[in-house]
Amino acid sequence: QQQVKQSPQSLIVQKGGIPIINCAYENTAFDYFPWYQQFPGKGPALLIAIRPDVSEKKEGRFTISFNKSAKQFSLHIMDSQPGDSATYFCAALKGSGSRLTFGEGTQLTVNP
Amino acid sequence: DTEVTQTPKHLVMGMTNKKSLKCEQHMGHRAMYWYKQKAKKPPELMFVYSYEKLSINESVPSRFSPECPNSSLLNLHLHALQPEDSALYLCASSQGWGENSPLHFGNGTRLTVT
Repeated sequence: QQQVKQSPQSLIVQKGGIPIINCAYENTAFDYFPWYQQFPGKGPALLIAIRPDVSEKKEGRFTISFNKSAKQFSLHIMDSQPGDSATYFCAALKGSGSRLTFGEGTQLTVNP
Repeated sequence: DTEVTQTPKHLVMGMTNKKSLKCEQHMGHRAMYWYKQKAKKPPELMFVYSYEKLSINESVPSRFSPECPNSSLLNLHLHALQPEDSALYLCASSQGWGENSPLHFGNGTRLTVT
């Protein structure tokens, strides 16, 4: 059972565009939602994270929007650059647990 | 460079071989993890060690045997693997658990079973 659904599977934008990646979750016990960025040949790295009591969080060009009632959250990348080309995974965590539930991933390509 | 170091970077082994993957972190983290990642898929949790003791085994086949010799080291012993076990094996560590302890991943070992 997929507990975190992520879309789209792949996304191509031009430099300067604003790619948006969406995730939806089912389990209301999740209370922490990180995003990971993974470049080819590298391990995932934490990009930004949010708690459900916050509707938006910005770190540099990356913004998470969170809709608790809809059980949805999304990642926006402002002024996207070719260096942002990577696979992005949303994830969810319950309390003080150690089991991250990942979405299926989105492969982002930013063309010059 | 990542603070979680994995060796080797690449490994090719036959189905009758025995090999080990190694992971090291010097951040003083108390939890260490093994994940398996197939191409174009998210990481899948295999094992979690907490204070050098195995705390989670996600029903992983016994041909994968984890070991945590000390708080900085994590091994994954491989024996009689199948071709479908070919994947990127990621080690991760965290200070503790929950939202204040994000995972730090290594760059993985790319395993090919022939």
